[in-house]
Amino acid sequence: GAVVSQHPSRVICKSGTSVKIECRSLDFQATTMFWYRQFPKQSLMLMATSNEGSKATYEQGVEKDKFLINHASLTLSTLTVTSAHPEDSSFYICSASELRTDIGTGTDTQYFGPGTRLTVL
Amino acid sequence: AQKVTQAQTEISVVEKEDVTLDCVYETRDTTYYLFWYKQPPSGELVFLIRRNSFDEQNEISGRYSWNFQKSTSSFNFTITASQVVDSAVYFCALTPGHIIQGAQKLVFGQGTRLTINP
Repeated sequence: GAVVSQHPSRVICKSGTSVKIECRSLDFQATTMFWYRQFPKQSLMLMATSNEGSKATYEQGVEKDKFLINHASLTLSTLTVTSAHPEDSSFYICSASELRTDIGTGTDTQYFGPGTRLTVL
Repeated sequence: AQKVTQAQTEISVVEKEDVTLDCVYETRDTTYYLFWYKQPPSGELVFLIRRNSFDEQNEISGRYSWNFQKSTSSFNFTITASQVVDSAVYFCALTPGHIIQGAQKLVFGQGTRLTINP
């Protein structure tokens, strides 16, 4: 199956600093990447949809200036948590969908990265 | 609006028992896709299966099987002869499908935490 990596896997930072999380598709090209947030014992909450070469689409209630997303290439998307605060502490997961060349096959499967656990002190 | 309901928050069984995880969905789309993902303690979501709305055939993969019934809007997942390594949180998810290729948002259920006891 398709492999998606995330870096770093774990980060601890002081309040007020910015943290960048990378999401890479290792063996395929991803036109679309998604960023999710997951609180303990809860489901995944979609934060934004990132398309290569265009601005990300944020879900309602997600601050775009707080969570900066850049999808500069077909294999890399980054999420930067700016001026992080303790309430931003969470598990952040990205997913990537493979660029398909066959038409008419409908939606693509999302493959998930291993996640990044962010702790803001 | 789309919605996925996994009514079972937690299930605990003894190893070798069979266990079924329920998933009920709501959608107005005629074309859609259903998924199951496994999230072990490590946190990474592992893709298990994808099923489109036009394919109601049940599927078996080793000890895993899936029962898709459009009439009841359900897509249940059964693990036969469960093992300790099956312990994880399992998510059912739904996404609309369109003839234009591309990725769509996944709507997740709340997840079912499955514990297999030795």
